[in-house]
Amino acid sequence: DTAVSQTPKYLVTQMGNDKSIKCEQNLGHDTMYWYKQDSKKFLKIMFSYNNKELIINETVPNRFSPKSPDKAHLNLHINSLELGDSAVYFCASQKTGAAAETQYFGPGTRLLVL
Amino acid sequence: AQSVTQLDSQVPVFEEAPVELRCNYSSSVSVYLFWYVQYPNQGLQLLLKYLSGSTLVESINGFEAEFNKSQTSFHLRKPSVHISDTAEYFCAVEPTGRRALTFGSGTRLQVQP
Repeated sequence: DTAVSQTPKYLVTQMGNDKSIKCEQNLGHDTMYWYKQDSKKFLKIMFSYNNKELIINETVPNRFSPKSPDKAHLNLHINSLELGDSAVYFCASQKTGAAAETQYFGPGTRLLVL
Repeated sequence: AQSVTQLDSQVPVFEEAPVELRCNYSSSVSVYLFWYVQYPNQGLQLLLKYLSGSTLVESINGFEAEFNKSQTSFHLRKPSVHISDTAEYFCAVEPTGRRALTFGSGTRLQVQP
């Protein structure tokens, strides 16, 4: 009955590989996000989707490609992984409607690029 | 554009002592204000938020934050902390008309017995 789930929880991979992280929410929300948290705990938005449409793309390298097959899922595919991609990636979802609705975060995916 | 500053990266405090975590922001438009908490190895959870009305907002676990427009601050306080409050606390803003949070760099609250 987890609200926002992410898989995998941990991902260790070599430079140059391609990997995907999956996110699913069962809250019935229309808006989903990807955030990156670096080693200093700084959190920065990467993308947001509303009803499967890209709304925000915060100048993320085009090696990162989000895909939303339906409202409940927002996956993140990363091509040609680099050392600097090592971080914790958080998915979040939010109800569309009134302003400042609460964002619900997943548990995070810890990516380590060697 | 918006920015959020949390001046204290770490705040050590003894159990049952009061604590204040500072947050200042800058924005060219009106913003909504949030505090999120991140317990070890978990995602973020909303602690409290300010939209409008009374400038003092409270959470269910004893935290409160006061919005001060003139000082562009939204400091978080608790009169008596518990060991279980040990976590990373993030201040965030959402500009009106844009559904995207800008976070501060976080403050690690370390409650010691």
